[in-house]
Amino acid sequence: EVQLVESGGALVQPGGSLRLSCAASGFKFSDYWMSWVRQAPGKGLEWVANTNRDGSAQYYVDSVKGRFSISRDNTRNSLYLQMDSLRDEDTAVYLCARDGSGGYDLWGQGTPVTVSS
Amino acid sequence: IVMTQTPLSLPVTLGQPASISCRSSQSLVHSDGNTYLSWLLQRPGQPLRLLIYKISNRFSGVPDRFSGSGAGTDFTLKISRVEAEDVGVYYCMQATQLKTFGQGTKVEIQ
Repeated sequence: EVQLVESGGALVQPGGSLRLSCAASGFKFSDYWMSWVRQAPGKGLEWVANTNRDGSAQYYVDSVKGRFSISRDNTRNSLYLQMDSLRDEDTAVYLCARDGSGGYDLWGQGTPVTVSS
Repeated sequence: IVMTQTPLSLPVTLGQPASISCRSSQSLVHSDGNTYLSWLLQRPGQPLRLLIYKISNRFSGVPDRFSGSGAGTDFTLKISRVEAEDVGVYYCMQATQLKTFGQGTKVEIQ
């Protein structure tokens, strides 16, 4: 089955760190750019970061630059998001998305991250 | 690039048409000539679904009652005859310069 499954979300204190994972299956992972998108409670979607097919390039929304790091392991068909110096405003469901030729054509269900003391 | 959707709430009648607008703060025409404007649907408890990409291309499996149009900075998603399964939140998204989403339009049956 073609799918993306996120994991690693948790409750963490401000200033803490978390590493999210996204496991891909059913397609050739290394053929696609991949992204992380987040959705704060009751809010819309916000693109967080993406990476190219071999992981040699990464791009970030300004609000997470210097704190978050996206990476991938094509041998494990997995995408990661290392989140450091977490803030209250990082609280959200984090979604993994496959970047197809014209748009995000495959999404996971998301993993929740709560930043709170 | 800021994406602005209207309306933010859209009550619809089954079998009737519906339309959502999306405006970008600058042209979405990429240097490669493509316009990377897509439409997504978020239904409760389900993964997001790509409906339309590059303004007007229906993604695989998307019913032909969905259509996209527009150019430059103004875009529209139309549903020719709303069905019950079309309820949810619709987002436009640009991928011409990094990626940004509209605020979302909640479509519900009135």
